[in-house]
Amino acid sequence: KQEVTQIPAALSVPEGENLVLNCSFTDSAIYNLQWFRQDPGKGLTSLLLIQSSQREQTSGRLNASLDKSSGRSTLYIAASQPGDSATYLCAVVETGNQFYFGTGTSLTVIP
Amino acid sequence: GAGVSQSPSNKVTEKGKDVELRCDPISGHTALYWYRQSLGQGLEFLIYFQGNSAPDKSGLPSDRFSAERTGGSVSTLTIQRTQQEDSAVYLCASSSNMGLADGELFFGEGSRLTVL
Repeated sequence: KQEVTQIPAALSVPEGENLVLNCSFTDSAIYNLQWFRQDPGKGLTSLLLIQSSQREQTSGRLNASLDKSSGRSTLYIAASQPGDSATYLCAVVETGNQFYFGTGTSLTVIP
Repeated sequence: GAGVSQSPSNKVTEKGKDVELRCDPISGHTALYWYRQSLGQGLEFLIYFQGNSAPDKSGLPSDRFSAERTGGSVSTLTIQRTQQEDSAVYLCASSSNMGLADGELFFGEGSRLTVL
């Protein structure tokens, strides 16, 4: 069964720093990988979707990379802002449309 | 609609009562998922609907939980004889599933259930 791990579980950085969040998965036979953010008491907001044939996707200050063979993805956040404070989750989807979620990284950006 | 809509946003009920949670997916999305998120925990898969196919119920924790999707659109998650351990946020998500590689998942804001 697919297992998705996110390290670190929590991260605190000063405003303006660039940072990297990590996501690893055990089975490389995935169709795509998606990054989400979740604010307290809210649902998940989609940030980036990387298809299995792609190596990276960019949206504004966010850049996500995918290395299927090594079972890893990273989410790079440039010039972090206090509004980036949230929990970030990654999810992979396999055959059968089943999504497997990591437990998330809780990010705090200190003003 | 513009996004996935869930109701009620908050529900407080007494132990033993039945509850119904509703999800209205994005128009045209054929795939619909229910997840449960307990306080401080990750997402727990409950059930998945894809078009007119039989749903994948493999994540339902007990026979007190059931879900249906009428007309391939709105879905209702029903919890019978609620227990305190059912307290959680129930999240619904939908996807266009136009080929697996396009299946970006969109979530609603969730229904927070508290069982007293």
